[in-house]
Amino acid sequence: DTAVSQTPKYLVTQMGNDKSIKCEQNLGHDTMYWYKQDSKKFLKIMFSYNNKELIINETVPNRFSPKSPDKAHLNLHINSLELGDSAVYFCAAADSGHTEAFFGQGTRLTVV
Amino acid sequence: AQSVSQHNHHVILSEAASLELGCNYSYGGTVNLFWYVQYPGQHLQLLLKYFSGDPLVKGIKGFEAEFIKSKFSFNLRKPSVQWSDTAEYFCAVSIYGNNRLAFGKGNQVVVIP
Repeated sequence: DTAVSQTPKYLVTQMGNDKSIKCEQNLGHDTMYWYKQDSKKFLKIMFSYNNKELIINETVPNRFSPKSPDKAHLNLHINSLELGDSAVYFCAAADSGHTEAFFGQGTRLTVV
Repeated sequence: AQSVSQHNHHVILSEAASLELGCNYSYGGTVNLFWYVQYPGQHLQLLLKYFSGDPLVKGIKGFEAEFIKSKFSFNLRKPSVQWSDTAEYFCAVSIYGNNRLAFGKGNQVVVIP
């Protein structure tokens, strides 16, 4: 079983659309993250949730809304997609002691 | 604010050459340190990690890293690289008790056969 799974792996959509990316972890970890990796491979943290509660919300446009229905899931909903949202989005899960973060396979979002 | 610095973003070397990638962080408290690797088109995988104890940490695929507290550094090394080591390498730091895992900007390493 994959420890952290994201769907979809690829997402191509038009500007202005609303889309969601789903993330599930089967590790039982308390902390989950969303990271954005741009074309230069820079990894920037977007959100961090601990046990379903939002802990970190970086300077991300409010078009991005994370939702954690339970400890095992952290979904990312994006409204009114823009060209600049094109990137690879990674979900990750870590225990509260941060002994290691496990990453999903990534979702390559392309906005056209 | 917590920050992680990686220098020499692009590194090109020949097979069998030695590799050293620098990582410095800017937090004085207790930290956990990581090196992740991202092969082309893939997700991040853990190479090695340091929490406490022996400052010389050995990871997978022949990589090792040394934690030097006085220099706030956690440099990654491999004595002899292979073509398959071509990848992006990321240093990451988490502060004990904090939910933030911060990454450096990465080193793109290309190994020429």
